[in-house]
Amino acid sequence: DAKTTQPTSMDCAEGRAANLPCNHSTISGNEYVYWYRQIHSQGPQYIIHGLKNNETNEMASLIITEDRKSSTLILPHATLRDTAVYYCIASPLSGSARQLTFGSGTQLTVLP
Amino acid sequence: EAGVVQSPRYKIIEKKQPVAFWCNPISGHNTLYWYLQNLGQGPELLIRYENEEAVDDSQLPKDRFSAERLKGVDSTLKIQPAELGDSAVYLCASSSTGDEQFFGPGTRLTVL
Repeated sequence: DAKTTQPTSMDCAEGRAANLPCNHSTISGNEYVYWYRQIHSQGPQYIIHGLKNNETNEMASLIITEDRKSSTLILPHATLRDTAVYYCIASPLSGSARQLTFGSGTQLTVLP
Repeated sequence: EAGVVQSPRYKIIEKKQPVAFWCNPISGHNTLYWYLQNLGQGPELLIRYENEEAVDDSQLPKDRFSAERLKGVDSTLKIQPAELGDSAVYLCASSSTGDEQFFGPGTRLTVL
């Protein structure tokens, strides 16, 4: 599995966009980029995933560079409830299931 | 739709005692995962089931850990005997398509 590198922590002002970077320079062609987040004392929660193209859903946008060596998760209007650890994962298929190898993630703190 | 249910939420035991964790996945999800999460780190996969078959248990310490998923629905993870280093959060997740894993709230184990 490709290793991902994320900043340990970031702050963001409430109402502003939160841009969380992730480096995955050794990602292989069959690995998707997945983002999960984990709010304190809860299990991880799926946010979004993509292969090559940029993706958007009701929670966030995912921007993947053309060479796929890095990506950015964008929370367009951060709220206090977005304070969490955000995990960027390069995920291959293992049989019929996605294999998730979590790193230490980025602690995002949204400030009032 | 009910989420992944885990019980108990908290468990405190003395070392060398046995302990068991229970997981009820989302209805219809044929893939079930058990993860271990140490403080300040991301979850680590212990075992993955496809229906009732354990298809990836390479990270399960088989000398003291065991798991079962009878009838391909509920699952139980057991530790016998528990050691101090087993103190952690044990997370269960399930998925259907493989793209998104749904996590339960976890069981926080403290071994004294």
